[in-house]
Formats: sequence, structure tokens, C-alpha cells
Amino acid sequence: GAVVSQHPSRVICKSGTSVKIECRSLDFQATTMFWYRQFPKQSLMLMATSNEGSKATYEQGVEKDKFLINHASLTLSTLTVTSAHPEDSSFYICSAPDQGRKFTDTQYFGPGTRLTVL
Amino acid sequence: QQQVKQSPQSLIVQKGGISIINCAYENTAFDYFPWYQQFPGKGPALLIAIRPDVSEKKEGRFTISFNKSAKQFSLHIMDSQPGDSATYFCAASSTPGNTGKLIFGQGTTLQVKP
Repeated sequence: GAVVSQHPSRVICKSGTSVKIECRSLDFQATTMFWYRQFPKQSLMLMATSNEGSKATYEQGVEKDKFLINHASLTLSTLTVTSAHPEDSSFYICSAPDQGRKFTDTQYFGPGTRLTVL
Repeated sequence: QQQVKQSPQSLIVQKGGISIINCAYENTAFDYFPWYQQFPGKGPALLIAIRPDVSEKKEGRFTISFNKSAKQFSLHIMDSQPGDSATYFCAASSTPGNTGKLIFGQGTTLQVKP
């Protein structure tokens, strides 16, 4: 089946530093990937749509200069949290649709990255 | 109009019982309705999904019932097991093809007691 990986699985950083999270589709290509943020005991909130070869599309209220997204290839998207602060601490999850499948609406989620900013 | 409302927020079921989670939506353009299961500290995993052209879909112990006129859909977990204890999210998408953004419900925490 389609597999999406994320790296790192958890990261702890000091306030003011930048953190990069990678999202990879391991056995399929994805021209589109999605980044979500999830606070404890809450639902997933879509942050942005990552598009291979073009700029990401951000949801309303998400600071594009703070959450930099780069879709470097058909299997890799990165999310960089710049100048991280404690309020950025959250669970970040990416997803990707397997466009090679017949039922192309199916999205596969990565295992998530737990970011803790001290 | 983009919201998906999910209930209940939490659910406790005895082993062997039926777990039922409901979702309602407003946007009639939604045309894909998946259910995801999430364990603590893990990413969501697709359980089952349905499109509006059918009223029910069953996969093993999991069944989606879909009522297009009422704009509601529900997940039924038959013979619930302790291993089913997790958070369940319904979702909806309206963009055709493979670039659809998923709108998630608020989530339901299910506890199955042995």
C-alpha cells in the first residue's frame, strides 16, 4: 500500500530556532501534499497545500513566512517552522494522495512529527 | 458551510457492542466522505470511505451509512473490540480528482471496555 513517512518523528528546539520537517511518499509520486497541525485532543487543521513545482497554497490565518513549504520533488515536501516559539508546539502531519491509483481521492497520512519548542 | 460536525465527542462501548459515530455537513458539493482512525501519537489511518452514489458501504466490521438528503453520514463498528479504542475522524472533500482538501470533523474518542 501507499506509504508516507515523516522525519523527524519528534523534535525539541529552543525558542527562536528554525525546524525543518520532511514528508516523503515512499512508493508513489505526489504532485500535491497537504500539511496539517493538530493540538492535543483536537482535530486536524489544514495549514497548506504543497504543490510540486509551484508555490504552496496557505489556508486563511496561516503565516506563510513562518511556515515555509518547499515541494522539492515528486516524493518530498518540507515544512520549515521559522523562529519557532512555544505556541508553535504541536503535532504536524502531512498527507498525500496516490495519484497512480484508480480511486485517487484516497489520502495517505504520515506518522506525524511532534514539535516541542522550549 | 465548510464545516463537518461530528458527534458524540466521546463514546464508551462494551466489548462486542456496536459503536456509532455521526457526522453532518452543509456543503452539497462534498462528494467524498472518508473515516480515519487515529491512535495516540500516530498519524490518521484510512478506515473506509464512501461516495454519494451509494447509501451504504461495508468493509469487515466497519459500515458507513450515508443519507444524502439529510446530509449526514455515520460510521458503525460492529462487534467492537478493545483494540478499536482510538479517536475517529470523519472528513469530507469537494474537489474533484486527486487534489481534494479534506475537511475534518471534531473527532470522537472511542473506548471499548473489555
